[in-house]
Amino acid sequence: SAVISQKPSRDICQRGTSLTIQCQVDSQVTMMFWYRQQPGQSLTLIATANQGSEATYESGFVIDKFPISRPNLTFSTLTVSNMSPEDSSIYLCSVASGANVLTFGAGSRLTVL
Amino acid sequence: AQSVSQHNHHVILSEAASLELGCNYSYGGTVNLFWYVQYPGQHLQLLLKYFSGDPLVKGIKGFEAEFIKSKFSFNLRKPSVQWSDTAEYFCAVTHGTALIFGKGTTLSVSS
Repeated sequence: SAVISQKPSRDICQRGTSLTIQCQVDSQVTMMFWYRQQPGQSLTLIATANQGSEATYESGFVIDKFPISRPNLTFSTLTVSNMSPEDSSIYLCSVASGANVLTFGAGSRLTVL
Repeated sequence: AQSVSQHNHHVILSEAASLELGCNYSYGGTVNLFWYVQYPGQHLQLLLKYFSGDPLVKGIKGFEAEFIKSKFSFNLRKPSVQWSDTAEYFCAVTHGTALIFGKGTTLSVSS
């Protein structure tokens, strides 16, 4: 299965600032997915990112808050904009390794003060 | 909208006890079902999956799950747990090309 690297692994940010999380995959993939895992909770799908097209956002998530780039088949970024403490979470990048089987990165743990 | 329910939030067992974690999903059509595990400090890993065929699927580390279509369920089982099974377990169902996850069950196994 694919190997996913995320940067940063963790960060502490101030309220009102923005942070961009990078996701690098060791093989070309069509779809990449961004999830959020809030403290003590499950994974929530933020958006699906296809190369060459706009990301598709799930209900409750908007492009202005979570802009996503997908410049090629091995890379994507997720930006968390105008952060508030409620955005403190682990953000996970994942890719499909075979039909619907998702492989996950280690995640980026974000703390907003 | 598709949803996944995991009935047990936190399960505490002694080593060698049997385990069953409940999972129900809401969609009545064709779905693919998964159990993922997250060991302390590690990535999410696939434990097992069901796509079609034999409703009893076997995964890694002695885990198995049974798909019961009439009950919209996909319960995870293990006959005898070990201390190393201490982890968070997530049930998931297909949502287009992505997955939707349940809230997770924390399993604590005491030796």
